[in-house]
Amino acid sequence: GDSVTQMEGPVTLSEEAFLTINCTYTATGYPSLFWYVQYPGEGLQLLLKATKADDKGSNKGFEATYRKETTSFHLEKGSVQVSDSAVYFCALSKDKFYFGSGTKLNVKP
Amino acid sequence: KAGVTQTPRYLIKTRGQQVTLSCSPISGHRSVSWYQQTPGQGLQFLFEYFSETQRNKGNFPGRFSGRQFSNSRSEMNVSTLELGDSALYLCASSFLLAGGPRNEQYFGPGTRLTVT
Repeated sequence: GDSVTQMEGPVTLSEEAFLTINCTYTATGYPSLFWYVQYPGEGLQLLLKATKADDKGSNKGFEATYRKETTSFHLEKGSVQVSDSAVYFCALSKDKFYFGSGTKLNVKP
Repeated sequence: KAGVTQTPRYLIKTRGQQVTLSCSPISGHRSVSWYQQTPGQGLQFLFEYFSETQRNKGNFPGRFSGRQFSNSRSEMNVSTLELGDSALYLCASSFLLAGGPRNEQYFGPGTRLTVT
């Protein structure tokens, strides 16, 4: 069945470090792919999306490219800030949404 | 445009009781989905409603039920509460046309349910 797998956390980085959170998916056809972020005590917020192969989604310095050949949608940011500390979820949509297990990011000053 | 709202934000109930949670979607959104989030199980899909009809259902016991009204507002009900039902319950809405592609979901802040 359809599913999303993302790297286990927590990921701990120093401020201004480069971030990569890996996400791979299993799905037939052409799902849309998403990254959501959840700050403590809040619901999930849409961070970025891509709806077809080779699309790059970007927002607030975060980027992810829809790679159909590797079935991946890795999240990257060139320079993280303390305020980026949160839990990040990768998701795909087909008949419904499928979410990964979430990756907690801790950014130290 | 107002976001997804959920009421109440916090709830404490006793084992065996029942609870009803409410969700108001973004104006114009007819699809409403419910999720249970716990530290151990992550984000688990409960069900989705579209135009007052249940469109998808997750793997939860029959104690969990939901409904959607003609104004797209949705409620979920949990009967005979168990300690393991303690969780953050999230509602998400999306703009969806029948037979159309699935767009992004927008989440509410959640209802934190504690069962004692």
